[in-house]
Amino acid sequence: DADVTQTPRNRITKTGKRIMLECSQTKGHDRMYWYRQDPGLGLRLIYYSFDVKDINKGEISDGYSVSRQAQAKFSLSLESAIPNQTALYFCATSDFTGTANTGELFFGEGSRLTVL
Amino acid sequence: AQTVTQSQPEMSVQEAETVTLSCTYDTSENNYYLFWYKQPPSRQMILVIRQEAYKQQNATENRFSVNFQKAAKSFSLKISDSQLGDTAMYFCAFMKPREKGGADGLTFGKGTHLIIQP
Repeated sequence: DADVTQTPRNRITKTGKRIMLECSQTKGHDRMYWYRQDPGLGLRLIYYSFDVKDINKGEISDGYSVSRQAQAKFSLSLESAIPNQTALYFCATSDFTGTANTGELFFGEGSRLTVL
Repeated sequence: AQTVTQSQPEMSVQEAETVTLSCTYDTSENNYYLFWYKQPPSRQMILVIRQEAYKQQNATENRFSVNFQKAAKSFSLKISDSQLGDTAMYFCAFMKPREKGGADGLTFGKGTHLIIQP
């Protein structure tokens, strides 16, 4: 099984619908991130979290919200989806508490969202 | 804010050739970390190689190596003896030092689509 699991893998929805993308990890990492990937734009940070009580906005947080339900779970919500939120969304984790911290991000397999 | 620039949107080479992907970045930090990630058509993000700025020696991982030029703020990736399985998007990424907010995530370039032709 994957260390970082995202659901759903693919989703098609309509404008105005509420969408939740879920992420769970078995790596025991403290840091979790949501990135958005668009063709020609690379990956951009939406939100990140240090623990269940710590949520931080990234570069492009408008139109999104997150919830860190537990150390292992971090969900991304689109309250009212719009077509320009059509993208590939990645959840990632990182371990900044261990002495072997390398800064490496460990990614889920991505959730492709299409908003019609 | 840090920026990462990949000036080659797409590259195509023949199998077995050597190819170099370019990456430049802008930062005022002296110590930081640089990464190359590979994204094959499966869309999984895979770490290729990592470099710490305080290390003079260029990182290598099998057929993958970097040319890290700190003064020029350049971090190119060289792939030797390229294989069909190297076909992918390649992203260069920057991370600030931990004590300067490195845990806030990586800053990515826009990517280079590398195609290996048979």
